[in-house]
Amino acid sequence: DQQVKQNSPSLSVQEGRISILNCDYTNSMFDYFLWYKKYPAEGPTFLISISSIKDKNEDGRFTVFLNKSAKHLSLHIVPSQPGDSAVYFCAASVRNQGGKLIFGQGTELSVKP
Amino acid sequence: GAVVSQHPSRVICKSGTSVKIECRSLDFQATTMFWYRQFPKQSLMLMATSNEGSKATYEQGVEKDKFLINHASLTLSTLTVTSAHPEDSSFYICSARTNRVQGGYTFGSGTRLTVV
Repeated sequence: DQQVKQNSPSLSVQEGRISILNCDYTNSMFDYFLWYKKYPAEGPTFLISISSIKDKNEDGRFTVFLNKSAKHLSLHIVPSQPGDSAVYFCAASVRNQGGKLIFGQGTELSVKP
Repeated sequence: GAVVSQHPSRVICKSGTSVKIECRSLDFQATTMFWYRQFPKQSLMLMATSNEGSKATYEQGVEKDKFLINHASLTLSTLTVTSAHPEDSSFYICSARTNRVQGGYTFGSGTRLTVV
């Protein structure tokens, strides 16, 4: 039972354009969502998070949007840079249930110069 | 920040042997740690939640006798892969909750286990 889903395994974007990574979830109890960037053989690096009581959070080039009714969130990166090329994971947790993170399958972003 | 140090970063072992992976919280106390496994090009799958001073909570489908977790102190959690087989070859990562980093979770750098 995949509670957090990233249906696009890969995404290719031109440098300077917007990258939009999508994530869907099924568990309505999730109350905290995070996006991580990851390189092979390394731990994930935190990018941005959003609480379920909000619908948008912005940090520099990164913006996360949450649509609770659709159980959908997205990460926007603008402008995209070649250094953004990596695998991006969305994750979700129920904070009052121990806070374990459930990860999506990941989307490999390639930003071409 | 809050750092979790994970060792070893890479290990190769023979089938049938056991391997221990350590995660230490260096500058904070971690009452709870999480252990994940990642197969190539796949998600980080939660294996278990490790609680200091008590038994770990394993996710469905994870064999608790094969993946022994010990969290004997507030700064150390260990995962022992017992009687390893080639199908246990994977990337293992630990994580701890802490309000000292953005997002609230800090991750180890991972351990690449290869069973031959």
